[in-house]
Amino acid sequence: DTEVTQTPKHLVMGMTNKKSLKCEQHMGHRAMYWYKQKAKKPPELMFVYSYEKLSINESVPSRFSPECPNSSLLNLHLHALQPEDSALYLCASSTRQFVEKLFFGSGTQLSVL
Amino acid sequence: DQQVKQNSPSLSVQEGRISILNCDYTNSMFDYFLWYKKYPAEGPTFLISISSIKDKNEDGRFTVFLNKSAKHLSLHIVPSQPGDSAVYFCAASGNYGQNFVFGPGTRLSVLP
Repeated sequence: DTEVTQTPKHLVMGMTNKKSLKCEQHMGHRAMYWYKQKAKKPPELMFVYSYEKLSINESVPSRFSPECPNSSLLNLHLHALQPEDSALYLCASSTRQFVEKLFFGSGTQLSVL
Repeated sequence: DQQVKQNSPSLSVQEGRISILNCDYTNSMFDYFLWYKKYPAEGPTFLISISSIKDKNEDGRFTVFLNKSAKHLSLHIVPSQPGDSAVYFCAASGNYGQNFVFGPGTRLSVLP
């Protein structure tokens, strides 16, 4: 199994809603990442978990809250988002932090109304 | 300030010909480089990598060249196929623990 699975594929939410994005991998990878990609822009790193501990937070606003319940799962909890947060949210994993190539999921396309 | 640049937003190539995608970087600490391909509605897929101890790496139809003195790398696709039509991202990292920085991407269209 060489897949990173993200759910949902599409999400529309209002600015007062609370929602969660989910990511799962069964490759035994010990590093997991959240990236944000706006249209026609490169992916930008948000968070990195290494061995289930948050190792990097790229100054992301607190309305985004990551969680890594175990080595296979990564969540991104969303609360009180702004319309400018609308983007493609990509999850990725690697055997360990940053040394190996990244395996990306297909992303969640988020629209904040 | 963009540390990884892909100055051609788009490129069109005839099927069977060579596609050359370019990438420039500014951070001399970068020592590991990757190319990713992205189709619409999918996540990026790893294509090929190169470390700074090499100047060339080849995998089938894909070859990456690295010119460290010029801080430049290029991806060659020979022969180009219509299925290669996608957005190609160059990414770079340096020193253990640093995150990958992605370029803005080049949209390749391979015409039948």
